[in-house]
Amino acid sequence: GAVVSQHPSWVICKSGTSVKIECRSLDFQATTMFWYRQFPKQSLMLMATSNEGSKATYEQGVEKDKFLINHASLTLSTLTVTSAHPEDSSFYICSARGSGTHAYNEQFFGPGTRLTVL
Amino acid sequence: GQNIDQPTEMTATEGAIVQINCTYQTSGFNGLFWYQQHAGEAPTFLSYNVLDGLEEKGRFSSFLSRSKGYSYLLLKELQMKDSASYLCAVRDDKIIFGKGTRLHILP
Repeated sequence: GAVVSQHPSWVICKSGTSVKIECRSLDFQATTMFWYRQFPKQSLMLMATSNEGSKATYEQGVEKDKFLINHASLTLSTLTVTSAHPEDSSFYICSARGSGTHAYNEQFFGPGTRLTVL
Repeated sequence: GQNIDQPTEMTATEGAIVQINCTYQTSGFNGLFWYQQHAGEAPTFLSYNVLDGLEEKGRFSSFLSRSKGYSYLLLKELQMKDSASYLCAVRDDKIIFGKGTRLHILP
């Protein structure tokens, strides 16, 4: 199956700083990438959908100015958490989807990034 | 709106069978997924149903009834390593997850 990587796998930062998380599709071109967030003992919540070369579409309740998403190429999307606060501490998971297929597993998930804000 | 319901927690015994139910109400439907997620890890794909009926894959089976907005995941011959959260997810244009069912396996 297709492989999606995330970097870093975990990060600890101070409150008020910004953190960038990268999501890469390693062996396919991802026309669409999805960013999810998961708090402890809760399910994955979709934050935003990004299509290559266009602005991301954010889900209701997600601040677009706080969670900056860039999908500049077909293999890379980045999520930047700006002015991070302790309540932003969470598990962030990206997912990538290619084009032109209707295979059931066309949305592939990365391994996740655990963010801890002190 | 989107609504996916599944039990919060379930407990079963090693070697037994357990069925995890999922009901959904979504604006569109293009398939239903089941994922397994161990604590601290990303979800891993278990099954996909887009047509009514039962899909069997080893110890795991998944069933779908589109008219009823209902699915279940059946786990047979339970093993301790099956202790995890099981996420029901529905795809329209994107995959939306339910809140997950935490399955505890007792020896």
